[in-house]
Amino acid sequence: DQQVKQNSPSLSVQEGRISILNCDYTNSMFDYFLWYKKYPAEGPTFLISISSIKDKNEDGRFTVFLNKSAKHLSLHIVPSQPGDSAVYFCAASDYGNKLVFGAGTILRVKS
Amino acid sequence: GAGVSQSPSNKVTEKGKDVELRCDPISGHTALYWYRQSLGQGLEFLIYFQGNSAPDKSGLPSDRFSAERTGGSVSTLTIQRTQQEDSAVYLCASSSRTGGGYGYTFGSGTRLTVV
Repeated sequence: DQQVKQNSPSLSVQEGRISILNCDYTNSMFDYFLWYKKYPAEGPTFLISISSIKDKNEDGRFTVFLNKSAKHLSLHIVPSQPGDSAVYFCAASDYGNKLVFGAGTILRVKS
Repeated sequence: GAGVSQSPSNKVTEKGKDVELRCDPISGHTALYWYRQSLGQGLEFLIYFQGNSAPDKSGLPSDRFSAERTGGSVSTLTIQRTQQEDSAVYLCASSSRTGGGYGYTFGSGTRLTVV
């Protein structure tokens, strides 16, 4: 029962272009959505979050969009940089105690 | 400490042996979480502590897995009679509050290999 799904295992983007990472969810009770970034041999690090009552949150080069009717969110990175190459995890919070994570998308930014 | 500390960073063990994985959360963080990431998979929730109690143990895969937390600080995850399918990276995270969009701070993980 995968409540959070990242259907693209990998994405390759040219430096300077936009990276768009997608995530779908099934549980309409999720109240917050988060994105984490993970480099090899390190733990995931928190990147950006969005409340279920919002449809957009922006932080520098990173913007998260939420479409509640479609149960879909996306992370936009503009402009993409080689240092952005990592695994990106989408996660959702269900008003409480734990985050439910997707399987991750590997982003490669080519210089 | 400055971050979440996990030890050991790597552990190779023989099938059937017991292992203990340690997590030292950020000082003052009351919530502590264990996740694991198997090869090619996402992060799988194992257990959550609030203080020393574990209100949610729903992710522990079997009764071979147990965890405790003492003094509202250090936590130990114990796997008894390890099996090859237990091989994974075990990640610990802590947070100063539960819920909301604040996120957790993760440690670097313990890579467990059962041979």
